[in-house]
Amino acid sequence: DIQMTQSPSLLSASVGDRVTINCKASQNINKYLNWYQQKLGEAPKLLIYNTNNLQTGIPSRFSGSGSGTDYTLTISSLQPEDFGTYFCFQHNSWPLTFGSGTKLEIK
Amino acid sequence: QIQLVQSGPELKKPGESVKISCKASGYTFTDYAMNWVKQAPGNGLKWMGWINTQTGKPTYADDFKQRFVFSLETSASTAYLQINNLNIEDTATYFCTRWDTTAPFDYWGQGVMVTVSS
Repeated sequence: DIQMTQSPSLLSASVGDRVTINCKASQNINKYLNWYQQKLGEAPKLLIYNTNNLQTGIPSRFSGSGSGTDYTLTISSLQPEDFGTYFCFQHNSWPLTFGSGTKLEIK
Repeated sequence: QIQLVQSGPELKKPGESVKISCKASGYTFTDYAMNWVKQAPGNGLKWMGWINTQTGKPTYADDFKQRFVFSLETSASTAYLQINNLNIEDTATYFCTRWDTTAPFDYWGQGVMVTVSS
């Protein structure tokens, strides 16, 4: 199984900050990497698919990059509504696997 | 608009069974496979497997091959997850999510909280 290691697990940042969340796969996942945001009691929301494609309706302050085993989600200017937990997800091979999550708190 | 609407919360005893539903609307049900994802309390997300909505063929991840059953009612655009012989470790929120070949897991149900307690 492909293991997805996210870092950091907890992140505290201020409004306006540039924030990066990292995800490392245990093997090459060929850019088949999505990012989701989840708020308490809600379903995950797709932000980025296939490394760097912004899902419809998602603000352009969100972006993704990476290749091979290393991927990054960037929020260019943090907004108050961006709090929540962020998960990476690989769909390169079965079983499909998620990262353990990064909890983003707004200072 | 595209929606996946799941059934309500469930409280069950160990050994019982539960069947939760996921009703799709706003798109052609058979054009997209349906997947199931488990989220135990305070934990991350775990993919359980998927069901081909054209053929009804289910595929289960290794940890979900024994007591879990995916099924469909295509005429009602609804997918089901049944869990048999429930145990405490099945306490979790279960999500349905559709597989879009371009952007997998683009839409999700709201989740069903299943609590197993004696």
